[in-house]
Amino acid sequence: NSKVIQTPRYLVKGQGQKAKMRCIPEKGHPVVFWYQQNKNNEFKFLINFQNQEVLQQIDMTEKRFSAECPSNSPCSLEIQSSEAGDSALYLCASSLWGDTQYFGPGTRLLVL
Amino acid sequence: GDSVTQTEGLVTVTEGLPVKLNCTYQTTYLTIAFFWYVQYLNEAPQVLLRSSTDNKRTEHQGFHATLHKSSSSFHLQKSSAQLSDSALYYCALSASNTNTGKLTFGDGTVLTVKP
Repeated sequence: NSKVIQTPRYLVKGQGQKAKMRCIPEKGHPVVFWYQQNKNNEFKFLINFQNQEVLQQIDMTEKRFSAECPSNSPCSLEIQSSEAGDSALYLCASSLWGDTQYFGPGTRLLVL
Repeated sequence: GDSVTQTEGLVTVTEGLPVKLNCTYQTTYLTIAFFWYVQYLNEAPQVLLRSSTDNKRTEHQGFHATLHKSSSSFHLQKSSAQLSDSALYYCALSASNTNTGKLTFGDGTVLTVKP
């Protein structure tokens, strides 16, 4: 079973508000991924880290989304100005180098 | 870019009968790994199977899949479906020259096992 911890489980924000969610990867996993799963259950990769360094990120992430994985602190994903279209389940996953990704339970964001 | 196709959005099977969920892919990378994830209602996706070896059968929890690079497929099968197998199943591909790359998911197949 996955040991990835995500908080909060649910997040409700108004349009234009900041939304921040956190992830503690499985112990010993240096690679962390963020995905967005929309209401149609489609996955979209957002960003991934190797220790504290960004490996890949999509264009959308560079505009309103910011993420970090500081040393000895939870990783975080923040949406600077939430939009209705950001309502989704945000999943954090961690892995060893090039291995299976293990997912946390997700943060379900609702933007009103 | 990479793509994964799951042709059936919904599969319904009677308990005890075999089930097959189809998965095909397209990628230009040579280093690739394939996964089947299962997601139960309101839970996180859990890895069910993983394979990176051509023509080798991989098994777990009664499910099996064989990666066939010649046909770009990684179909999931089970000989006898159980009620508890009802869930959302995703085929996913990890293809990257650094081997730490993102997963590309198919659109998912909802499996319903009826009594």
